[in-house]
Amino acid sequence: SQQGEEDPQALSIQEGENATMNCSYKTSINNLQWYRQNSGRGLVHLILIRSNEREKHSGRLRVTLDTSKKSSSLLITASRAADTASYFCATDRDSSYKLIFGSGTRLLVRP
Amino acid sequence: NAGVTQTPKFQVLKTGQSMTLQCAQDMNHNSMYWYRQDPGMGLRLIYYSASEGTTDKGEVPNGYNVSRLNKREFSLRLESAAPSQTSVYFCASSGGGETGNQPQHFGDGTRLSIL
Repeated sequence: SQQGEEDPQALSIQEGENATMNCSYKTSINNLQWYRQNSGRGLVHLILIRSNEREKHSGRLRVTLDTSKKSSSLLITASRAADTASYFCATDRDSSYKLIFGSGTRLLVRP
Repeated sequence: NAGVTQTPKFQVLKTGQSMTLQCAQDMNHNSMYWYRQDPGMGLRLIYYSASEGTTDKGEVPNGYNVSRLNKREFSLRLESAAPSQTSVYFCASSGGGETGNQPQHFGDGTRLSIL
C-alpha cells in the first residue's frame, strides 16, 4: 500500500517557471523526505523535513509540511531543463525502519 | 566515490530459474534495503537489514530471500523466478538509527525481465 500520494501525476512547464508538487499521506509520521529520479537511474535524496518543522529550504528547493492536513509540497523555483525527472515523497511510520514511497510526479521542463 | 553498486545492471531469466542480485556499499552504513519499482509506481520495500546480522520483511517479500553477508554487502535471491517478478530492483543504504531520520542512498538498479 502507498502511504504517500503525489499530485499531480505529471507536470509540464517552461524553463524558468516554478514547479509545485504535492504529497498527501494517511498516518502520522516522524519525518518526510523528497527524492528525485532521473530516467534510468536510482533515486537521489533531496531534502528531509521533520514533523515539528513547517518549512525547509535547500538551494532552489522549498519544502513545506502541514501535519494537520497530512500533506507536504515541494517547490522548485526557476526550473531548468536538468530538473526534468520524477519526484517522490517518502514517509516513515511509527518510528519504523521502513520508508513508504508515493507513486511520484513526473516533471518535464521544456527548454 | 562508488556509493551503492548493484550487479548485474540487466538480466533476462526464464520462468523457474534462480538468480542472486548483488549490492555493495562503501559508505560504512548500517542499514540496507531492497526495493522493486514497477512502471508508473513508486518503490515497494522487499526486505531490509537494519544492521549487520539482521534482516526483516518489507511490504512485498514473497518469492524473495536476502542475505546480509557483511556490513558492506546485501544480496537478494529469487529462488524460482516468475513473470510477476519482472521489475527494476534497487538497493539502498542509510546510516545508523531509525530510517525516517536518515536519507537513503540508492544504486542505479537492476533491470530484470522474466520470460
